[in-house]
Amino acid sequence: DIQMTQSPSSVSASIGDRVTITCRASQSIGNALAWYQQKPGKAPKLLIYGASSLQSGVPSRFSGSGSGTDFTLTVSSLKPEDFATYYCQQAKTFPITFGQGTRLEIK
Amino acid sequence: QVHLQESGPGLVKPSQTLSLTCSVSDDSLNSGRYFWSWIRQPAGKRLEWLGRIYTSGSVTYNPSLESRITISLDTSKRQFSLKLNSLTAADTAFYYCARDRDGRGYFDPWGQGTLVSVSP
Repeated sequence: DIQMTQSPSSVSASIGDRVTITCRASQSIGNALAWYQQKPGKAPKLLIYGASSLQSGVPSRFSGSGSGTDFTLTVSSLKPEDFATYYCQQAKTFPITFGQGTRLEIK
Repeated sequence: QVHLQESGPGLVKPSQTLSLTCSVSDDSLNSGRYFWSWIRQPAGKRLEWLGRIYTSGSVTYNPSLESRITISLDTSKRQFSLKLNSLTAADTAFYYCARDRDGRGYFDPWGQGTLVSVSP
């Protein structure tokens, strides 16, 4: 299985800050990567697919980049509703696997 | 906008079989454009993809569960289902159904999730 490792595991930031979360795959996955946002008690929400394509309806302050094994999710200017847990997910090979999550907290 | 809704028992005994159903609000289950997946999440842990089914009935399972899992669909009822047998406490988790756009492995939307506890 492809192992997905996110860093950091948690990050504290303030409203208006720029935040970057990193995801590393244990082997090359091309651009077959998605990012999800999950709030407590809710299902994950697709933000980014194909490493850098913004899902319809997702604010443009979210962006994704990377290819191969190293990927990033950036939130350009944090809003209160962005504080949540973020997961990366590889879609290159079965079984589909997820990162362990990055918790974004208010400083 | 399509909505997915999981249903099933919240409590199951060890060694028994879990049966969950996902109801789809529109006809996309029968459209041939999507794959339909089950994903679970133990409390405080990462998400685990369990398997998926296509309109034709073709299935792909996570090898870690392949001996215990069955996914099926009933397009006439707009439902697809998960059966997981030989349950243990390690199967306690939130279980989600989700639509896989274009079969590329990106999940949107998801159901709200249902908590399944495995306990005597």
